[in-house]
Amino acid sequence: GENVEQHPSTLSVQEGDSAVIKCTYSDSASNYFPWYKQELGKRPQLIIDIRSNVGEKKDQRIAVTLNKTAKHFSLHITETQPEDSAVYFCAANLPGGGDKLIFGTGTRLQVFP
Amino acid sequence: DTEVTQTPKHLVMGMTNKKSLKCEQHMGHRAMYWYKQKAKKPPELMFVYSYEKLSINESVPSRFSPECPNSSLLNLHLHALQPEDSALYLCASSQVGGDFGEKLFFGSGTQLSVL
Repeated sequence: GENVEQHPSTLSVQEGDSAVIKCTYSDSASNYFPWYKQELGKRPQLIIDIRSNVGEKKDQRIAVTLNKTAKHFSLHITETQPEDSAVYFCAANLPGGGDKLIFGTGTRLQVFP
Repeated sequence: DTEVTQTPKHLVMGMTNKKSLKCEQHMGHRAMYWYKQKAKKPPELMFVYSYEKLSINESVPSRFSPECPNSSLLNLHLHALQPEDSALYLCASSQVGGDFGEKLFFGSGTQLSVL
C-alpha cells in the first residue's frame, strides 16, 4: 500500500524567511497530492493541491512542486508570517482504493516574529 | 455553503454508554468520510461512503458503526468504547472520482473522551 514520509517533523523560521516541507510517496500510481494546514484545536484545511499532470502550482506565497520520477513533492512558503504557524500535513491518494488519502506524519511550523 | 458541520463539538462518555456523532454537508458532495485523529498525529481513515453506500471500512472495530441516511448526512454510532478510543473524530466530504483524487473538506470535529 501507499506510504507517505514527511520531513522535517518540526521547523522553526524567522518571520519573512522561507519554509520548505518535503514528502515522499511509495506508490507510483498516486496522482493527487494535497497539503493541509491544521491550527491548534481546529480542522485540517486544504491550502494547496497538485495533480500528477503538472510539475508545479503556486498560490500567492504558497507553492507546491512535484517530481514524479523521484516520487517526492514539496511545499514552499515564502515571506512567512506568524499566522503561518501550524501543523502541515501532506497526503497522497491511493488510486483504486476508493476516495482514500494517505497522510504524512505532519510538520509543526513555528514562525517567530 | 462550503461547510461541513459536526455535532457535538465535545463528548464525554462512559464505556457502557451509547452515543452518536453527526455530520452534515450541503455542498452536493457524494462521498463522506470518518477520520480519527490522535493528538500530534495525522488523521486516520475509518470509513468512506460513496453515493450513500459504504465503500471503505479500514478494519474498524464493530463498536464504531457508521450510517449514511442520505447524501447530506453521516452518523457515527458509538457503543462500548474503550479509553483508547478517545480522540478527535473528523467528518469530511468530497466530490466523487474523476481521473484524479478530489478535494477533501473537513468538519471541525468532535473531541471524544471515553472514561
